[in-house]
Amino acid sequence: AQTVTQSQPEMSVQEAETVTLSCTYDTSESNYYLFWYKQPPSRQMILVIRQEAYKQQNATENRFSVNFQKAAKSFSLKISDSQLGDTAMYFCAFIYDYGGATNKLIFGTGTLLAVQP
Amino acid sequence: EAQVTQNPRYLITVTGKKLTVTCSQNMNHEYMSWYRQDPGLGLRQIYYSMNVEVTDKGDVPEGYKVSRKEKRNFPLILESPSPNQTSLYFCASSLSRVALAELFFGSGTQLSVL
Repeated sequence: AQTVTQSQPEMSVQEAETVTLSCTYDTSESNYYLFWYKQPPSRQMILVIRQEAYKQQNATENRFSVNFQKAAKSFSLKISDSQLGDTAMYFCAFIYDYGGATNKLIFGTGTLLAVQP
Repeated sequence: EAQVTQNPRYLITVTGKKLTVTCSQNMNHEYMSWYRQDPGLGLRQIYYSMNVEVTDKGDVPEGYKVSRKEKRNFPLILESPSPNQTSLYFCASSLSRVALAELFFGSGTQLSVL
């Protein structure tokens, strides 16, 4: 069974600094996708970044980037120049693509990030 | 505006009183699903639907029902709610298989069953 593990329940960072959130996953599949979602206090789930397993290049979106280590099954999120608006719960998620209809995202338990002024 | 609309945002009910949480999307998405979010457990899929009249169980379907009579609507039904169904619920949709398409989430429904 596929699992996603986020070992840091809570983290704190000073404004303008860089922080890295950890995520590991377990799968025997080769074709899969990884995501980071942000959930601010408003509860809205917002897609931050996605990574296709077949791509070696790490995905980036402005201040957000990932370190995808396929052999180690690691998918960490780096937030540069942290801003107060980055305060949120961050979920790592996984889906494997077998061409079927399940479309089930498997989520980690989340990391609550607090950006301090 | 493209969106997934869930109602209500907050709901307090009592054990055994049937309730429905509505979900509607205006993006002509084929795929819709329901998740529940619990502290320390992340989000878990309850049910999903790949198209009209096609629904299937996710990881935690017990105590829930869904229907997909129209493409835009995917209500979640709790016929006899119990306290262990107290949770934050999310409806989500995507154009096609989510591995290839972004999943859009509703704003969530906080349900408390007393």
